Amino acid sequence: EAGVAQSPRYKIIEKRQSVAFWCNPISGHATLYWYQQILGQGPKLLIQFQNNGVVDDSQLPKDRFSAERLKGVDSTLKIQPAKLEDSAVYLCASSNGGGGYTEAFFGQGTRLTVV
Amino acid sequence: AQKVTQAQTEISVVEKEDVTLDCVYETRDTTYYLFWYKQPPSGELVFLIRRNSFDEQNEISGRYSWNFQKSTSSFNFTITASQVVDSAVYFCALSDDYKLSFGAGTTVTVRA
Repeated sequence: EAGVAQSPRYKIIEKRQSVAFWCNPISGHATLYWYQQILGQGPKLLIQFQNNGVVDDSQLPKDRFSAERLKGVDSTLKIQPAKLEDSAVYLCASSNGGGGYTEAFFGQGTRLTVV
Repeated sequence: AQKVTQAQTEISVVEKEDVTLDCVYETRDTTYYLFWYKQPPSGELVFLIRRNSFDEQNEISGRYSWNFQKSTSSFNFTITASQVVDSAVYFCALSDDYKLSFGAGTTVTVRA
């Protein structure tokens, strides 16, 4: 079974530029998560989709971050404009349960450096 | 609101020693799920174990075991006879309703 795919693996941009990350979840998984993991910290949930609807985006900085899930499958996360504090690893995960009772499977993440 | 606390920042042991990782959680829900994940240097979070709030039976799976105590809101995880490959960051996570939240993680270093 193919895992969660993310691209790119690494990205370096200057502050105020924009950047987009892509995620392809495990086939058939209805729930998709985007997490931000700052160095030395645990992952912080940015947004959670159930199929193509948003379940939770309470911690998404909506003035600069946006996310969409196309046809309930692939997802993109965008930052515009980026700030220095956005430097982090962005993790995508998926699960086949919407009630939180099934484990989430994670991709390898995108390491973003904002200079 | 849900909260997961991992008080241990780093643990260093010599190979073959046992390692116990502490996790304390807070939630208002009566139905919830607890997880342990491992994050090796490669960066990908790997699921290890899951326990639901109605099952306090402690189990052993290979070299992993866990101790779930609802009375103290703790979900501790033990690696028996540690190996160098166990070196990683370990995260405790809580899911109530639908949101999956993580603790800050404990870095485990196993020295040969």
